[in-house]
Parts: sequence; C-alpha cells; structure tokens
Amino acid sequence: GENVEQHPSTLSVQEGDSAVIKCTYSDSASNYFPWYKQELGKGPQLIIDIRSNVGEKKDQRIAVTLNKTAKHFSLHITETQPEDSAVYFCAPQRANAGGTSYGKLTFGQGTILTVHP
Amino acid sequence: DADVTQTPRNRITKTGKRIMLECSQTKGHDRMYWYRQDPGLGLRLIYYSFDVKDINKGEISDGYSVSRQAQAKFSLSLESAIPNQTALYFCATSGVSAVPWPQYFGPGTRLLVL
Repeated sequence: GENVEQHPSTLSVQEGDSAVIKCTYSDSASNYFPWYKQELGKGPQLIIDIRSNVGEKKDQRIAVTLNKTAKHFSLHITETQPEDSAVYFCAPQRANAGGTSYGKLTFGQGTILTVHP
Repeated sequence: DADVTQTPRNRITKTGKRIMLECSQTKGHDRMYWYRQDPGLGLRLIYYSFDVKDINKGEISDGYSVSRQAQAKFSLSLESAIPNQTALYFCATSGVSAVPWPQYFGPGTRLLVL
C-alpha cells in the first residue's frame, strides 16, 4: 500500500511569515494530490488539490507544488494569519479519469501549524 | 444545513456494549467512508462503500462493522466496544463523477469507551 509521510509534524511561525509542509509518498501511480485543513473540533476540509499533469497550482495565499519524479508534493502558505492555525493533512491518491480509486486511501500523519500574532 | 451529518457528536460507553454511529449526507454522492482519528496517527480508513451493494474493508476494520442502508446513509457499529476504540470518528463522502476526487467530511463523533 501507499506509504505517506509529512514533514514537519509541527510548525510554528509568526504572522506574515510563510509556511511550507512537505508530503512524500511511495506509490508512483498516484495521480491526485489534495491537502486538507482540520480546524479544532471540525472535520478535515479540502483546501487545494493538484493533478499529476500540473506542476503547481495557486489559490490566493495557498499553493501546491508537485515533483512526481521525487514523489513528493508541498503545501505553501504565504502571509500566514492566525486563522491558518490548524492541522494539515496530505492524502495522495490513485484514481482513474472517472474518479475511481484503485485502493485504500492513506492520509499523512498531519502537521500542526501554529501562527502567532 | 450541513451536507454530511453525524450522530451522536459525543458518546460515552462501557466496555462490551454495542454502539452505532450514524452518518447521513445530502450531497447525492455514491461513495461513503468511515475513518478513525487518533492523536499523532492522522486518519485511518475503517470501511468504505462505493454504492449501496458495495462494502469494502479498510486499513483497520477489525472490531467494526458497517451498514449502507441507503445511498445517503452509512452506519458504523462497534459490536463489543473496547477502550482502545476510544477515538474521533469521521464519516466522509465523495462523488463518482468528480474529477479530481475530493472527500467531504462530517463534523466527527467523539467516542469514549470506559
């Protein structure tokens, strides 16, 4: 099955700084790369995703970059704000064009991001 | 109203008791999932269902069972609860036609087994 590792496990930054979280995976057939944000007391929520035919995607202060050769993808948050404080999960997946998954889903262990005002 | 709802939100039970956690969705999705979350271990898949007649075991299915009563309802049962099943449980859904393929999570059920 897929082995997924996230680094760092905790990240503390000052408001306005940038934050980067890296996700390394083992299944070279993975082709869909989402990042989820989990706020305290809530379920995870998708914040950005990328497919394997794209190297980078940006959405305002959030970006995801993909290196398929090295089998890792990263979440970048710029101009961090206190409301960015949460746990972030990656969940690389292998799916066909119709969205069918070929197997179980594996989430990274999570990164606790704390943004200090 | 929330698209994915879970009941109860909190539950305390005793070792050996049978309990059921319920999940309902109004997103019209075919696929539903149950995850368990423990501190430092992220989310682990317990069971998943691609439609009403399709149920599959996930990474940690031992001690759990599920029932897909309808497209919109997916229940998780602990036949005889044990303390190491104390955790946060999440239901999630995803649609077949969505490309890419995100999952939508409920708010979670916090379970304590004494």
